Amino acid sequence: DAKTTQPNSMESNEEEPVHLPCNHSTISGTDYIHWYRQLPSQGPEYVIHGLTSNVNNRMASLAIAEDRKSSTLILHRATLRDAAVYYCILNGRDNQGGKLIFGQGTELSVKP
Amino acid sequence: SQTIHQWPATLVQPVGSPLSLECTVEGTSNPNLYWYRQAAGRGLQLLFYSVGIGQISSEVPQNLSASRPQDRQFILSSKKLLLSDSGFYLCAWSVPGQPRTAEAFFGQGTRLTVV
Repeated sequence: DAKTTQPNSMESNEEEPVHLPCNHSTISGTDYIHWYRQLPSQGPEYVIHGLTSNVNNRMASLAIAEDRKSSTLILHRATLRDAAVYYCILNGRDNQGGKLIFGQGTELSVKP
Repeated sequence: SQTIHQWPATLVQPVGSPLSLECTVEGTSNPNLYWYRQAAGRGLQLLFYSVGIGQISSEVPQNLSASRPQDRQFILSSKKLLLSDSGFYLCAWSVPGQPRTAEAFFGQGTRLTVV
């Protein structure tokens, strides 16, 4: 499985944008990039996914580098409720059963 | 709408005792089902996944087993718990047939402490 690398932790101020990076230099052409986040004491929740083009939804934006070897999850205005661990996951063609393999993620703290 | 139920929320069990955690999904048919474990700190470890009744794939050898007796029921079991089985256990489901794009939906988890 292609692997992802994320910073262990990041800090942000409330109401400021947050850019969470993810490196995936061994990504294959058919791998989708997924982001999930896990709030304290809860199960992970889906945030966004993309293949090649940048994607936007109500929670966040996903910016994918042209060579697809990195991506950035963008929270446009961080709130205290965005404090969570954010996981970047690759999901490829040979993924039987749609399973997700989580790494260590980035722990985002948001300061008021 | 689809919902996932996982119980109990917390559990304290003595070493050597059996374990049974149950997960059910409502509002969908033939879902892919998953069991994850999260030890203290971060990192979710995929334990088992299932693409249909009676079809279980194990990701890591361990003291646990899984079964899927019904389409939307997934059970995690152990005959004899070890201290190292303590952790946060999460059940999840996804829509079949879309392995690269399907969103996974997680339950609220069971926090297991083996004493």
